[in-house]
Amino acid sequence: NAGVTQTPKFRVLKTGQSMTLLCAQDMNHEYMYWYRQDPGMGLRLIHYSVGEGTTAKGEVPDGYNVSRLKKQNFLLGLESAAPSQTSVYFCASSYTGTDTYSNQPQHFGDGTRLSIL
Amino acid sequence: ELKVEQNPLFLSMQEGKNYTIYCNYSTTSDRLYWYRQDPGKSLESLFVLLSNGAVKQEGRLMASLDTKARLSTLHITAAVHDLSATYFCAVVTASKLTFGTGTRLQVTL
Repeated sequence: NAGVTQTPKFRVLKTGQSMTLLCAQDMNHEYMYWYRQDPGMGLRLIHYSVGEGTTAKGEVPDGYNVSRLKKQNFLLGLESAAPSQTSVYFCASSYTGTDTYSNQPQHFGDGTRLSIL
Repeated sequence: ELKVEQNPLFLSMQEGKNYTIYCNYSTTSDRLYWYRQDPGKSLESLFVLLSNGAVKQEGRLMASLDTKARLSTLHITAAVHDLSATYFCAVVTASKLTFGTGTRLQVTL
């Protein structure tokens, strides 16, 4: 069972370069999320999607864009990378949102370690 | 703005000892998750707490939720080295999770 797959696993960029992180899930989940994790901090939500074709801003959306053209994929883009975006990025998905009628936890990918020089 | 605070941030404990990790949050929520993260790894779901007074146990770990006090606890009984990891609580509001800063647990012989 693949679950949530993130590519790439590691990447080094130069300041100003652009790149896209790919998240794919095979669990037919409606909701998908992108987080960043920095040392000594918990995960912070960047953007999320409640279904194909939808996206919404999270806690720290600046400098990032996302797209959800297909239900199983959620892309995170950095248009002009900055050193402050050096982090570990996690994608997660869940069958429904973590709302009143759901008890399904979010399932996480293995992370993408991104360094920006 | 929702704030989720965990304490302690770092915990070093001997094998066989008991300890409790606390998770306090600042706004109303009736569900909370606990996750475990090993170094360099992803997050693994441990417990889903869905209502006030909920208690879940798995092995040497027991989690509880008091929504009135806005407090969840993760109790460790007779710790073993395999429990060494970072533990996060995450509070649910409006279909989103807000994570605590994590408690790094180190169990020593």
